[in-house]
Amino acid sequence: KNEVEQSPQNLTAQEGEFITINCSYSVGISALHWLQQHPGGGIVSLFMLSSGKKKHGRLIATINIQEKHSSLHITASHPRDSAVYICAVRKPGTASKLTFGTGTRLQVTL
Amino acid sequence: DAEITQSPRHKITETGRQVTLACHQTWNHNNMFWYRQDLGHGLRLIHYSYGVQDTNKGEVSDGYSVSRSNTEDLPLTLESAASSQTSVYFCASSGVGGTEAFFGQGTRLTVV
Repeated sequence: KNEVEQSPQNLTAQEGEFITINCSYSVGISALHWLQQHPGGGIVSLFMLSSGKKKHGRLIATINIQEKHSSLHITASHPRDSAVYICAVRKPGTASKLTFGTGTRLQVTL
Repeated sequence: DAEITQSPRHKITETGRQVTLACHQTWNHNNMFWYRQDLGHGLRLIHYSYGVQDTNKGEVSDGYSVSRSNTEDLPLTLESAASSQTSVYFCASSGVGGTEAFFGQGTRLTVV
């Protein structure tokens, strides 16, 4: 079983919808990252968090350490948000090594 | 602006050939990583380095090697390319203490 599980694997939404992507992990962590990958493109870091909540524009990331769960929310979704969203965790004592989920593919249509 | 660049972006090679993928970062980061990305597996760690002359094996290191002769570069070498090594390869770097990670644009390697 993967240490990092994401749901859903695929998600289609209409422009303007509120989107939630979930990440659950089964190990102790020192930080959790949310990453974005556009088709054929590189990987961009959206958030790194170890507690609470962070917001950047229309993106919000939350984490519940006790429940080992994080969510990425996109408000007022737009077709340019179409991408794969990847959750990754950094385990204590592993310096900067990351363990990744398999990603959630999001498509936002007009 | 600081950046991390990979070259080439695309490469086709034949089974058995030696191939080297380049990764160069100008963040002055100590930590550098090579991952491969395959459908159904997510990103998996191949090799990593925490500084000059330091290299370590990741979870899928068989058939790959790296060297770190300076802070900026971590080239990845496939000693004898195999079809199972067809994949997209990403290089990443981060600062000391597990700061935010920065990724290159990826190299799509096809072994025929």
